[in-house]
Amino acid sequence: KQEVTQIPAALSVPEGENLVLNCSFTDSAIYNLQWFRQDPGKGLTSLLLIQSSQREQTSGRLNASLDKSSGRSTLYIAASQPGDSATYLCAVRPGGGADGLTFGKGTHLIIQP
Amino acid sequence: DAGVIQSPRHEVTEMGQEVTLRCKPISGHNSLFWYRQTMMRGLELLIYFNNNVPIDDSGMPEDRFSAKMPNASFSTLKIQPSEPRDSAVYFCASRQGFRNQPQHFGDGTRLSIL
Repeated sequence: KQEVTQIPAALSVPEGENLVLNCSFTDSAIYNLQWFRQDPGKGLTSLLLIQSSQREQTSGRLNASLDKSSGRSTLYIAASQPGDSATYLCAVRPGGGADGLTFGKGTHLIIQP
Repeated sequence: DAGVIQSPRHEVTEMGQEVTLRCKPISGHNSLFWYRQTMMRGLELLIYFNNNVPIDDSGMPEDRFSAKMPNASFSTLKIQPSEPRDSAVYFCASRQGFRNQPQHFGDGTRLSIL
């Protein structure tokens, strides 16, 4: 059974710092990996989607990498801002015929002004 | 473009009552997913549909839970009878076309069973 772990569970940093969020998964046979942002009381906003054949994806100040063979992904946030404060979730889609996402429990990020 | 629309946003009811959660996917999306989020277990897939057909309901916790998708623009998740342990945030998500596309989530329904 696929398990997704996110470290750290919580992180608080001053504004302007670059930071890295980590995600690991136990079964490397994935179809793709998706990073989401969740604000309190809100749904999930898709940030980046990396296909299993890709190594990284970039969107603005965000960069996500994928090392499928080692079961790891990182989300890099450059020049962090208070508006980046949220919970960041990593999710993998299994390979084969299965569908749906398996989620980590998230990293709760606070950017101090 | 309208996103995934869920209703109600909040539901508080007493145990034993029937609860119906509703979801309208993004127009043109042909896959629909129901997830449940709790503090203890995080986000878990309950069931998903492709082209209105249920494909995998192995995540549905008990027979008290049922889901339907009568057409491409509407789905329901029903709990009957409801129990306090069903209290959670229930999310609906939809996806366009192939599996390499991202899932788009609604704002969820926060369900409290007293």
